[in-house]
Amino acid sequence: NAGVTQTPKFRILKIGQSMTLQCTQDMNHNYMYWYRQDPGMGLKLIYYSVGAGITDKGEVPNGYNVSRSTTEDFPLRLELAAPSQTSVYFCASSYPTGGANYGYTFGSGTRLTVV
Amino acid sequence: EDKVVQSPLSLVVHEGDTVTLNCSYEVTNFRSLLWYKQEKKAPTFLFMLTSSGIEKKSGRLSSILDKKELFSILNITATQTGDSAIYLCAVEAWGNAGNMLTFGGGTRLMVKP
Repeated sequence: NAGVTQTPKFRILKIGQSMTLQCTQDMNHNYMYWYRQDPGMGLKLIYYSVGAGITDKGEVPNGYNVSRSTTEDFPLRLELAAPSQTSVYFCASSYPTGGANYGYTFGSGTRLTVV
Repeated sequence: EDKVVQSPLSLVVHEGDTVTLNCSYEVTNFRSLLWYKQEKKAPTFLFMLTSSGIEKKSGRLSSILDKKELFSILNITATQTGDSAIYLCAVEAWGNAGNMLTFGGGTRLMVKP
């Protein structure tokens, strides 16, 4: 059982370039999330999705876009990379309600540097 | 706006010491409070607390929630160098579209031999 898989693990982008961070989960979780974590800080929510076809903005959505065409996949798109987007990005998934399997599962992160 | 504040920001102790990490919160529609340990990569789950006054324990780690005063503490006894990490507190609340996690800024713990 792979859990939450993020790719790539590392990436360096030039200012103005675009890229997509991939996230896929095999736990049939309804909810998926993208967080960013700046050095020495906690995680901030960028976007989230409560199911296929439904996405919404989190705390820091500017400069990002998402889509959720399937339950498994939740890619995060950066259209015009800026140095302020240098961060570690975590994807996570969860069930919407409690239960024996409740909990958030995090991917291993993508370290992005914009130069 | 939901808010989670952790203290201290950082802590340096020696092996064998006991530490207490604090987490206070202000959220609407509280559902649960979660503690995570983060070493080099993704946060790993420690505890989920939903009820006041009930201590959760796992080895040398324990945690308790006070829903009246809106805070939680994470205790680590007999600390070891392997406990060095960032400890994150997160509060789950019900929003318009379902449950959401708001993270605190973390406490960086360093345990010296």
